[in-house]
Amino acid sequence: AQKVTQAQTEISVVEKEDVTLDCVYETRDTTYYLFWYKQPPSGELVFLIRRNSFDEQNEISGRYSWNFQKSTSSFNFTITASQVVDSAVYFCAASSETYKYIFGTGTRLKVLA
Amino acid sequence: NAGVTQTPKFQVLKTGQSMTLQCAQDMNHEYMSWYRQDPGMGLRLIHYSVGAGITDQGEVPNGYNVSRSTTEDFPLRLLSAAPSQTSVYFCASSYSRVLSRPLHFGNGTRLTVT
Repeated sequence: AQKVTQAQTEISVVEKEDVTLDCVYETRDTTYYLFWYKQPPSGELVFLIRRNSFDEQNEISGRYSWNFQKSTSSFNFTITASQVVDSAVYFCAASSETYKYIFGTGTRLKVLA
Repeated sequence: NAGVTQTPKFQVLKTGQSMTLQCAQDMNHEYMSWYRQDPGMGLRLIHYSVGAGITDQGEVPNGYNVSRSTTEDFPLRLLSAAPSQTSVYFCASSYSRVLSRPLHFGNGTRLTVT
């Protein structure tokens, strides 16, 4: 069975600080996909990034970067120079050949001005 | 392009009442699913479907029924509402049943059962 763990329930940082959101996943499948989603205070769920199990390259998109390490089963998300608009709940998710898309419990990020 | 449309946005039910949450997508997606979001619990999968006529249970299926008679629609039925079903419900769809693509979410339905 799949499981996604986001141990950080809530994080508060001051604007311009860097922050890393942790995600640890468990799966027996050899092919799987990992995702990050953002849920701003308005409530919608916004897709941020996808990684497949065969691609361990890190990715950077503006102030966002993702670090995927199969050896530690982690898919961490870093926001550099955080801004108030980054305040949201962030979800890590995993999917595989079993047709189930499983989410972690989310990390609430508060960026203080 | 409407994407995933959920109705209603808000609903209040009394214990024991039944209702159907509607979900429709216009992207010809094979995969559709229902999640509930509760504080501290994240998004939990209720039911999912990999195509018309095919449905299966997720993590928390009890108290909910689904059907998939068309590719576009995936309604969620509460047969006898209970206060424990107070939650925010999200419908989501994806292009591929292999789930290599991201989910597209509706805007959610906030349900309160008194």
